Amino acid sequence: DIVMTQGALPNPVPSGESASITCQSSKSLLHSNGKTYLNWYLQRPGQSPQLLIYWMSTRASGVSDRFSGSGSGTDFTLKISSVEAEDVGVYYCQQFLEYPRTFGAGTKLELK
Amino acid sequence: EVQLVESGGSLVQPGGSLKLSCVASGFTFSNYWMDWVRQTPGKSLEWIGEINTDGSKTNYAPSIKDRFTISRDNAKSTLYLQMSNVKSDDTAIYYCTRIYLSWGQGVMVTVSS
Repeated sequence: DIVMTQGALPNPVPSGESASITCQSSKSLLHSNGKTYLNWYLQRPGQSPQLLIYWMSTRASGVSDRFSGSGSGTDFTLKISSVEAEDVGVYYCQQFLEYPRTFGAGTKLELK
Repeated sequence: EVQLVESGGSLVQPGGSLKLSCVASGFTFSNYWMDWVRQTPGKSLEWIGEINTDGSKTNYAPSIKDRFTISRDNAKSTLYLQMSNVKSDDTAIYYCTRIYLSWGQGVMVTVSS
C-alpha cells in the first residue's frame, strides 16, 4: 500500500497568516499521463470531508483561491494564504493512483 | 443540488451483518463510480471500496475484502454496503461519496456485544 505521511502545523495559527501543510507519499503519484493523483480535503468539526484540491493542484469548484496545492511526485504542499476562522479543521491528503486508496493521518489547523 | 443520504447504521454484535444504503439525488447516479469511506472515532479516513457505473466491477480494501460487498441499484439511485462477519474494528462512521467531490453526512456503525 502507498503510505501517506502528513506533517504537523505549529498551532495555533494567527488569523490572517499563511499556513502550509505537507504530505509525503511512499511512492510517486505522478502517472505517465502527466497527472499527479493526489487529493486534499478539509474536514471541519462535525462535518463530512470536503474536497479542496485534486490532481495535486486543481481547486475544486467553489473552493477559495486562498487554497493552493503544489509538489513533486512524492512531496506535496497545501498552502492556505490568510487563514480564516472557516479554515479550522483537519486536513487530509489522499492518493488515488493505486488500490487501495490511502489517506494521510490528518493535520489539524487551529486558529489563534 | 447533489445530495447523498446514508442510512442503516446501528449497533451490531461481532460476527453479525448489516446493510447500509446511500440514496443519491441531484445528479445522474448511473453516470458515476461511487465509493464508501469510513472514519473510526477520532481517527483518519479509510477507503473501503468502489463500484463502477453499472455495478459490474468493484474494488475493495484488503481489510474488508470478502466480508463487505458494494452494490448499487441505478433505478433507485441507491448505493449499498453489505457488511458481514463484522468486527469491533469496523466501528466507524461510514460515508458514501461520488468521486470524492460529494459526500454524505455519514452513518454510525457500532460493533459491540
